[in-house]
Parts: sequence; C-alpha cells; structure tokens
Amino acid sequence: EPEVTQTPSHQVTQMGQEVILRCVPISNHLYFYWYRQILGQKVEFLVSFYNNEISEKSEIFDDQFSVERPDGSNFTLKIRSTKLEDSAMYFCASKKRSTTNQETQYFGPGTRLLVL
Amino acid sequence: AQKITQTQPGMFVQEKEAVTLDCTYDTSDPSYGLFWYKQPSSGEMIFLIYQGSYDQQNATEGRYSLNFQKARKSANLVISASQLGDSAMYFCAMREETSYDKVIFGPGTSLSVIP
Repeated sequence: EPEVTQTPSHQVTQMGQEVILRCVPISNHLYFYWYRQILGQKVEFLVSFYNNEISEKSEIFDDQFSVERPDGSNFTLKIRSTKLEDSAMYFCASKKRSTTNQETQYFGPGTRLLVL
Repeated sequence: AQKITQTQPGMFVQEKEAVTLDCTYDTSDPSYGLFWYKQPSSGEMIFLIYQGSYDQQNATEGRYSLNFQKARKSANLVISASQLGDSAMYFCAMREETSYDKVIFGPGTSLSVIP
C-alpha cells in the first residue's frame, strides 16, 4: 500500500541553522500538508499546499518557514533560522483530491527535529 | 474555545476487552469530517477511521467503530477485543467545511492495554 515517506527520521541542528525536511507524498495525491507536534502536546497544523502554492497557513507558519515542491515527487519544509522552540516532530501529510470534505489526509512517519 | 476535547488523558483496558475513547467537538459548520488517528510510541500517525457529518451510519473499520452522536457533538472511538499492540496515543481530529484544508487535533488519550 502506498505511503507517505519522510527524511530524515531524526535531525539535530544548532540554533540559527537552516534545516530542510523532506517528504514524498503518495504519488497520485494532489494536496500536501505539514503539521508539527511539540513533545507531549497535540498535533498542530502548519500549512497546506496545492497546485504549487500555499492554500492555507497557521499563525505558526511565519516568515522563517517556507514550503516547496521542487519536482514531481518531493515536498519540502524549510526553516531558515531555527529556534529552540522549533524542536518538535514534523509530520507531512497528503490527500488525494478535494471533491468532497471527506478525503482523508495520510500522514508520514515524521521527522523528529531537535534544535540545540 | 477548544474545538476538540478528549477528556481522558489516560486509559487502561484489559486485553480482549472493549474500550471507548471519548471525543467531543465544537463546530457551527453543517459539513465536517471526524477522524481518529493512532500514534504508537514510535511516533508515526496512523489513520484509523473516518466519519462524515452527513453519514447516516456509524463508521466501522475492523475492530474500530465510531459512535457518532451528532446532536451531542460526540464521536467516540470504540476498540473491540483490545490487543497489546493497541497501546498508543489516540487522537480525535476534525476538518470543517469553512477551513477545508486544516485538520484540528484533540489533545489525545493514552491507552494502555494490560495483559
């Protein structure tokens, strides 16, 4: 069964450094998402992406964050200058289509980011 | 105000017994979708079951069923015949029509299955 994949599974970085988290959504999916989960807290929506542009973003998704679909398969989240509070699990998700409100988003296994 | 409430931070169940995980939600949208996801200790988020606001029947997927009570705005997850592998965090989530792309998650319930 097709799955969303994410790399790396773990990333440790120094505060102020740039990180790029990578995701390969399910191949026939058209809608892509990033969520984050700070340790012990609930999952929070960051951004949604469709047709090569952001369709919705949360207050968390400030100018330090950007997303890109550089080719037909990858979907990336870039954090330009990481802060300690960016330490979290980052989930990528994808959805097939949007003809109803009932399409399920399928999540990847997550990237655990630790900012030191 | 919390959109999704899960009042049970932790639950225990005996292996092979059934367990109900509570979820209530708050929305004024007429059309919305409700989801349950499982997060084992390894961290991945696994989709379990979906219920649409207009669905007439309660959703079922194998050992998982969703007890959907629209008037009470509740969408409880029932796991029948619990297995040790069911020990995990369980998140109730919702997507509203007016915020079409965003899935809102509840705080989660930690389920421990006891042998």
